[in-house]
Amino acid sequence: QPVVTQSPSASASLGASVKLTCTLSSGHSSYAIAWHQQQPEKGPRYLMKVNSDGSHSKGDGIPDRFSGSSSGAERYLTISSLQSEDEADYYCQTWGSGTRVFGGGTKLTVL
Amino acid sequence: EVQLLESGGGLVQPGGSLRLSCAASGFTFSSYAMNWVRQAPGRGLEWVSTISYTGGGTFYADSVKGRFTISRDTSRNTLYLQMNNLRAEDTAIYHCAKDQGHGIYFFDYWGQGTLVTVSS
Repeated sequence: QPVVTQSPSASASLGASVKLTCTLSSGHSSYAIAWHQQQPEKGPRYLMKVNSDGSHSKGDGIPDRFSGSSSGAERYLTISSLQSEDEADYYCQTWGSGTRVFGGGTKLTVL
Repeated sequence: EVQLLESGGGLVQPGGSLRLSCAASGFTFSSYAMNWVRQAPGRGLEWVSTISYTGGGTFYADSVKGRFTISRDTSRNTLYLQMNNLRAEDTAIYHCAKDQGHGIYFFDYWGQGTLVTVSS
């Protein structure tokens, strides 16, 4: 089964950009992943799917400020023009045989 | 508009049982696999269970296998999670989530969740 790894925390200033990373385990570098956002005290929200070739497809209503990319076993979520409401936990998710797999999440702080 | 509304959470003693429901609307419920995902207090997201769009295939995390049962009622557009022999470590907010499509194993819509507390 694949394992996905995320840094526990990240921070960036209001109006700046930030790039979050999700790393797939050895042997699973071809897997697509999904990014989900969870704002404080809210349910998760699907942001986008990111494929191994870097192409991505966003969920309904996701602003253009959010984009995805890939390099090898790494999948990225870039948020530009950071806003205060972007302060949230971000989870990457993939799948295995009969399972779904989450990373531990990255807590993004907007300074 | 896709909506997923969970209910059935509450306080239960260790060893007890609870049945969660997730009422779905805004999409053809019978065409999509559905999932339960939980989040313990202060922790990350943990996949719990998946049921195929036909209901014929069910999958469980090792932590709940043999104790939880996922099911669906297409006539009611409702997903269920029967939880038996509950333990303190099952305390969490339980979310239902919709798969994106056939063979696309990502969650594209989530419910707000229902809180399950297992405590004596």
